[in-house]
Amino acid sequence: NAGVMQNPRHLVRRRGQEARLRCSPMKGHSHVYWYRQLPEEGLKFMVYLQKENIIDESGMPKERFSAEFPKEGPSILRIQQVVRGDSAAYFCASSTMQGGPYEQYFGPGTRLTVT
Amino acid sequence: AQKVTQAQTEISVVEKEDVTLDCVYETRDTTYYLFWYKQPPSGELVFLIRRNSFDEQNEISGRYSWNFQKSTSSFNFTITASQVVDSAVYFCALSEAIQGAQKLVFGQGTRLTINP
Repeated sequence: NAGVMQNPRHLVRRRGQEARLRCSPMKGHSHVYWYRQLPEEGLKFMVYLQKENIIDESGMPKERFSAEFPKEGPSILRIQQVVRGDSAAYFCASSTMQGGPYEQYFGPGTRLTVT
Repeated sequence: AQKVTQAQTEISVVEKEDVTLDCVYETRDTTYYLFWYKQPPSGELVFLIRRNSFDEQNEISGRYSWNFQKSTSSFNFTITASQVVDSAVYFCALSEAIQGAQKLVFGQGTRLTINP
């Protein structure tokens, strides 16, 4: 049973470019969470999505960041016009909601470097 | 608001010593879950334990043990007879309910170095 997949594992972008990070949840999981880890810091919640719905985006920066989880295909975290401060590790986690508690399974992360 | 505090930024011990990582949390929820994750140098997050707020029994798994004390809002993690492979950053996290699912609030992490 494959775990949570994230790609790419490493992404380098120049300032002003767009970054697209992909997350494929575990089989049977319909809930996806995105977290950001800035250098030397803990993870911070960004957004929680179910298929075709954004449930909570309270941790998302107001501009340039967006997320989606379409009916088919992976969840995408998109960062437009990247700046140096966006350099971080972005982790995706997935869970199922069949009773609780719902353990979140984390992917290996995408390390974004903005030059 | 939910908050997790890991006051120890870095800990360095010699192999075979016991080491305890502290975690203190704040929440208004009566039902919540606490977690520990390990992040080795390779960068992935490894789940270690989940504990719900109604279960205050201590847990032991091999060389790892956890002490959950609701009275002091603490969920400390002890590694007995530490090994070099235990070197990693360890995160404590608290769940915050969102429409039935959980948003994790992480502490800042404790960087543990085990020296040979």
